[in-house]
Amino acid sequence: AQTVTQSQPEMSVQEAETVTLSCTYDTSENNYYLFWYKQPPSRQMILVIRQEAYKQQNATENRFSVNFQKAAKSFSLKISDSQLGDTAMYFCAFPGRGSQGNLIFGKGTKLSVKP
Amino acid sequence: DTGVSQNPRHKITKRGQNVTFRCDPISEHNRLYWYRQTLGQGPEFLTYFQNEAQLEKSRLLSDRFSAERPKGSFSTLEIQRTEQGDSAMYLCASSSGQLEYFGPGTRLTVT
Repeated sequence: AQTVTQSQPEMSVQEAETVTLSCTYDTSENNYYLFWYKQPPSRQMILVIRQEAYKQQNATENRFSVNFQKAAKSFSLKISDSQLGDTAMYFCAFPGRGSQGNLIFGKGTKLSVKP
Repeated sequence: DTGVSQNPRHKITKRGQNVTFRCDPISEHNRLYWYRQTLGQGPEFLTYFQNEAQLEKSRLLSDRFSAERPKGSFSTLEIQRTEQGDSAMYLCASSSGQLEYFGPGTRLTVT
């Protein structure tokens, strides 16, 4: 079965510091996308960053970057210079096998950025 | 681009009643997805449309659940004879490719 595991239910970080959220997954597919979504309290889910599995270069979006290890099936998210607005649930996700895009999500990591 | 919208945002209903939620996707998106999210969990896939065709349904979608997308634009999700276990956030997402854009969700509370 295809699964996504986020082993850190909660994390906290001081403002301006760096934090890494971990994600591992299991799939037999070779070409796929991986996503990190952010869900702020009582607000809608938005895409933070995505990685194409066939690209070796790690994706970067401003303060957000990933460490993608395809062989290890690991996809961690690094947030640099953390800001109070980064406080949210973070979900790792990837498309299910043979699907037309419906995503399989991890259980999420609740990140709190402290002033 | 006004984003994905969902109505209502909150719904409280008594057990046994029927409820219907609406999702309006981003206008040019041909794919539409429904997910359910319970407290402390990630979203779980329920069903998927490409244009008006319902192409995939999860085993989570019991016989009490039905979804439609009659003209390939907005979609409705109906739950008949609601149960307390149906209490959750129901999320809609749309896409035209690999990226899914989510709506704000409808929070259902069954009392």
